[in-house]
Amino acid sequence: GAVVSQHPSRVICKSGTSVKIECRSLDFQATTMFWYRQFPKQSLMLMATSNEGSKATYEQGVEKDKFLINHASLTLSTLTVTSAHPEDSSFYICSARSTPEYTEAFFGQGTRLTVV
Amino acid sequence: AQSVSQHNHHVILSEAASLELGCNYSYGGTVNLFWYVQYPGQHLQLLLKYFSGDPLVKGIKGFEAEFIKSKFSFNLRKPSVQWSDTAEYFCAVIHTGRRALTFGSGTRLQVQP
Repeated sequence: GAVVSQHPSRVICKSGTSVKIECRSLDFQATTMFWYRQFPKQSLMLMATSNEGSKATYEQGVEKDKFLINHASLTLSTLTVTSAHPEDSSFYICSARSTPEYTEAFFGQGTRLTVV
Repeated sequence: AQSVSQHNHHVILSEAASLELGCNYSYGGTVNLFWYVQYPGQHLQLLLKYFSGDPLVKGIKGFEAEFIKSKFSFNLRKPSVQWSDTAEYFCAVIHTGRRALTFGSGTRLQVQP
C-alpha cells in the first residue's frame, strides 16, 4: 500500500511553545489529508480535513487558531499546535488519500506529543 | 451524526481460538466499511474493506468480515488466531458526503501462546 510518513514520532515541548508535525505522502499525491487525535484507550477523533491549496475544515470543538493546518503541496501537510498546554498532550495521527472518490486512506505512524 | 460501536474493548484468546469482533454503525444510507489493525508501535494498516457486492469480504492474514445491512453490522472474524494477531483493531465507516472515516473505539486483542 501507499506510504505516509509522519515526523516527529515523539516530541516533548514546554508549555506555551509551538510544535509542528509533518505528514508526507511518499509515493502518491494526497489531494486530501486528515488529522486525528487519539486519547489513551480511545478512538481516533477527527480534528480537521484539508485539501491541497485550500483552507482546512475543522470539526466542531476544534480550535482552528490553536491547531494550524497547512496543506501547501500534494505531498505535505503540517499541523502546528500553537501555545501548547499540558491538555494538548496526546497522540496525533495523519491520514492521506489520493483522490476525492477513492475512499481508502493511508495512515502515518503518529506523533506522541507531551507538553510539560 | 454517524457513529461506530465496537462492543468488545479487550479480548483475550488462546492461540488457535476463533475470533469475532463486533462492529455496528448508525448511518442509514450507503456506507463503505473498513477494519484497520494497529500492531504495537506501528501505524494503522488496512485489514479489509467493503464497498459493494459480496457482503462477505476477505482480507489479509486470514481475516474476513461480513456486512449485514439489516443489522448495521460489519463483524470481523478469524477462524484461528495466532500470537502475532495481538494488536488493536478498529472498525471504521465512511458514507457519501463525508470525506473522513469515523472510527469505533477499538478492540484490544491479546492472544496468549
